[in-house]
Amino acid sequence: GAVVSQHPSWVICKSGTSVKIECRSLDFQATTMFWYRQFPKQSLMLMATSNEGSKATYEQGVEKDKFLINHASLTLSTLTVTSAHPEDSSFYICSARALPGSVYGYTFGSGTRLTVV
Amino acid sequence: AQSVSQHNHHVILSEAASLELGCNYSYGGTVNLFWYVQYPGQHLQLLLKYFSGDPLVKGIKGFEAEFIKSKFSFNLRKPSVQWSDTAEYFCAVKDPGNTPLVFGKGTRLSVIA
Repeated sequence: GAVVSQHPSWVICKSGTSVKIECRSLDFQATTMFWYRQFPKQSLMLMATSNEGSKATYEQGVEKDKFLINHASLTLSTLTVTSAHPEDSSFYICSARALPGSVYGYTFGSGTRLTVV
Repeated sequence: AQSVSQHNHHVILSEAASLELGCNYSYGGTVNLFWYVQYPGQHLQLLLKYFSGDPLVKGIKGFEAEFIKSKFSFNLRKPSVQWSDTAEYFCAVKDPGNTPLVFGKGTRLSVIA
């Protein structure tokens, strides 16, 4: 079945540094990838939608200059948290859809737990 | 915008008890509905989904959900829970087209022996 690999699974970084999270679709091409963030005891909140080869669409309240998303190929999307601060500590999850317009291809990565100290 | 409500934040059940987790979404029209489970330390897994047809949907691990359009609901049920069902359960809805999933806040299920 469709598999999405997300790395790293957890990362601890110092405040002010940048962290890159990768999301790869291993056995299918993902034209659309979604990035979610989950704070403790809260739901998954959509941060942005990225389509291969175009700029990501960010949800209201999400700083595009802080959360850089690149979707340069059909199998790879990256989220870079720039100048991370403790309040950015969260669980980040990517989701990929296999085919345009398909509802069958929603596959989630295993998530990345980011802790900023 | 679409929103999802999960009414129970934390449910504690004994093994073999029956389970029903509530899920309501905000507005109608054609929607696709999902239930995901997140076991401790693991990623989200799809339990079941509804697109159209029979409103009673069977999923994996003995779970089922019923879509009631008039109530904007998609409640998850299992007749007899096991300790291994301890997890976080998320209801999600999406509008047709190239749209993302909108998640509820999740319900933590703790099953005690």
